[in-house]
Amino acid sequence: ETGVTQSPTHLIKTRGQQVTLRCSSQSGHNTVSWYQQALGQGPQFIFQYYREEENGRGNFPPRFSGLQFPNYSSELNVNALELDDSALYLCASSPEPSTYEQYFGPGTRLTVT
Amino acid sequence: KQEVTQIPAALSVPEGENLVLNCSFTDSAIYNLQWFRQDPGKGLTSLLLIQSSQREQTSGRLNASLDKSSGRSTLYIAASQPGDSATYLCAVRYRNQGAQKLVFGQGTRLTINP
Repeated sequence: ETGVTQSPTHLIKTRGQQVTLRCSSQSGHNTVSWYQQALGQGPQFIFQYYREEENGRGNFPPRFSGLQFPNYSSELNVNALELDDSALYLCASSPEPSTYEQYFGPGTRLTVT
Repeated sequence: KQEVTQIPAALSVPEGENLVLNCSFTDSAIYNLQWFRQDPGKGLTSLLLIQSSQREQTSGRLNASLDKSSGRSTLYIAASQPGDSATYLCAVRYRNQGAQKLVFGQGTRLTINP
């Protein structure tokens, strides 16, 4: 059974640029959630995708957007990057969207300069 | 605002000690509570998931309890080892925030000294 994978591992971008982060869900999981974790803080929920539709969103601006593909992999896109977007971005997958345990990937470290 | 708080922020103990990490939440209307471990710069590893109807869960040297009425959960680690050094995060699914959203505390950074 393959776990949750994320790419790239690290990324450096300049303020104002756009970035795409990728996540492959664990086998058999149809739900993907994205979290942002600033240094020294707990993760914050960005949004969740279930069967290619957004299924809930946290308190993040519209420049944070996502996609889920038919194979249940997912992308997180961030436009007009700001310095405060520097963080570890975590992806988690689960068998169903409701109350099932979430399994996290290793994260993508984004640095905005 | 529904929040999760973890105290202390950091804890350092000698190897072999039993220890307790604390988590408090602001509303008893929850689906479940989950404890995670995070090694520096890494993703999260799920340790224990307690459903709202349960009082505790055990896995090896770990035991997590849940008291909804007081808004508290504890993670008990028995016979601590240097390999237990990590940040431990508590996360809650509040009913009125949607089952899909985990609300995290800021974590307790645990150091076990050999």
